[in-house]
Amino acid sequence: ELKVEQNPLFLSMQEGKNYTIYCNYSTTSDRLYWYRQDPGKSLESLFVLLSNGAVKQEGRLMASLDTKARLSTLHITAAVHDLSATYFCAVDIIGGGADGLTFGKGTHLIIQP
Amino acid sequence: NAGVTQTPKFQVLKTGQSMTLQCAQDMNHNSMYWYRQDPGMGLRLIYYSASEGTTDKGEVPNGYNVSRLNKREFSLRLESAAPSQTSVYFCASSVQINTGELFFGEGSRLTVL
Repeated sequence: ELKVEQNPLFLSMQEGKNYTIYCNYSTTSDRLYWYRQDPGKSLESLFVLLSNGAVKQEGRLMASLDTKARLSTLHITAAVHDLSATYFCAVDIIGGGADGLTFGKGTHLIIQP
Repeated sequence: NAGVTQTPKFQVLKTGQSMTLQCAQDMNHNSMYWYRQDPGMGLRLIYYSASEGTTDKGEVPNGYNVSRLNKREFSLRLESAAPSQTSVYFCASSVQINTGELFFGEGSRLTVL
């Protein structure tokens, strides 16, 4: 059974600070996705990581994937209030009874002025 | 460009009532999914349809049925609603199963009294 674990699950930080969200998964996969969800809204795709060593950056967010360690990170640089949201990582594997994405529980991020 | 459209957005049911959540996508995607989101649980896959004419159970299928009506539409039915089915339901689609990111609808908030 594929398990996807995020930590921390809750994070309160100040504007201007840097922080990293971690996503560990239990089964070999080279495809990992990051999503953002604002309160009461749908999920918005942030990053698609499709190979070991993949790194993607968009503004103050940077995501990376280490398939050997089964670990992805989402790094926030000089946080701003607009980045407050819940961030989910999700993994998919081919077959193995886990078709479709398996999501972590999400990291609820609050950025305070 | 509508993307993935779900109806209704809100619904209140009494225990034992039935209802159907409708989902349609206009992106010519082959695969469609139903997830439920509960506080602290992330998103859990209920059912998915890898392609028109096929449906498969996900992680939490009990109490639900689905129909892939055509390539565009994928409905989720609760035959006899229970309070444990109070949740936010998301429909999603992807180009193919296990080949990339999911595109989500706006969600349907269901309360079962």
